[in-house]
Amino acid sequence: AQKITQTQPGMFVQEKEAVTLDCTYDTSDPSYGLFWYKQPSSGEMIFLIYQGSYDQQNATEGRYSLNFQKARKSANLVISASQLGDSAMYFCAMRERTGTASKLTFGTGTRLQVTL
Amino acid sequence: DAGITQSPRHKVTETGTPVTLRCHQTENHRYMYWYRQDPGHGLRLIHYSYGVKDTDKGEVSDGYSVSRSKTEDFLLTLESATSSQTSVYFCAISELAANTGELFFGEGSRLTVL
Repeated sequence: AQKITQTQPGMFVQEKEAVTLDCTYDTSDPSYGLFWYKQPSSGEMIFLIYQGSYDQQNATEGRYSLNFQKARKSANLVISASQLGDSAMYFCAMRERTGTASKLTFGTGTRLQVTL
Repeated sequence: DAGITQSPRHKVTETGTPVTLRCHQTENHRYMYWYRQDPGHGLRLIHYSYGVKDTDKGEVSDGYSVSRSKTEDFLLTLESATSSQTSVYFCAISELAANTGELFFGEGSRLTVL
């Protein structure tokens, strides 16, 4: 079973509009973390936002917020007031403990295109 | 920016040849990871390290080996490269004790196996 599922291969949004990128996860570890990364066409991986499994409030970082619904096992990324520079690939990831370490498992990504 | 350097950044090789990718960090982070990125698959974990000489397999470890003899260096070796190993390889580092324990990524190494 997929541990991280991103069901939207591609999304379009108009500039200045808000957009939600979906992410669902599956884990039996009660202590986990959820991340979103952005990968522009230049290829680097940019950390955007983090949500811990015990965090009571949704994480926010500037125009990014994470809509964390624990019971539904979803961690959707909301980008408000989209900008042309937001056009990129977006990856959801989950951190689980492995005993000696922890590792991040990534989803397959959503390609976001911001249009005028 | 986290000090992570991957080398080489680009490599073209032939099937059956050995290839080693190097990841060097200046952050003294304990954890290091190798991922590969392929269209439609996102990033998949190959191997990771939780200390000097301490490594473990990820989900796509077949055909790859790693070594970590120093905190700052994590080597990924393809003993006999195959065309299916054509990919972009990312090294990442993390220090779980710090903040969220997010991964900091290198710039990637593009490997083409002909």
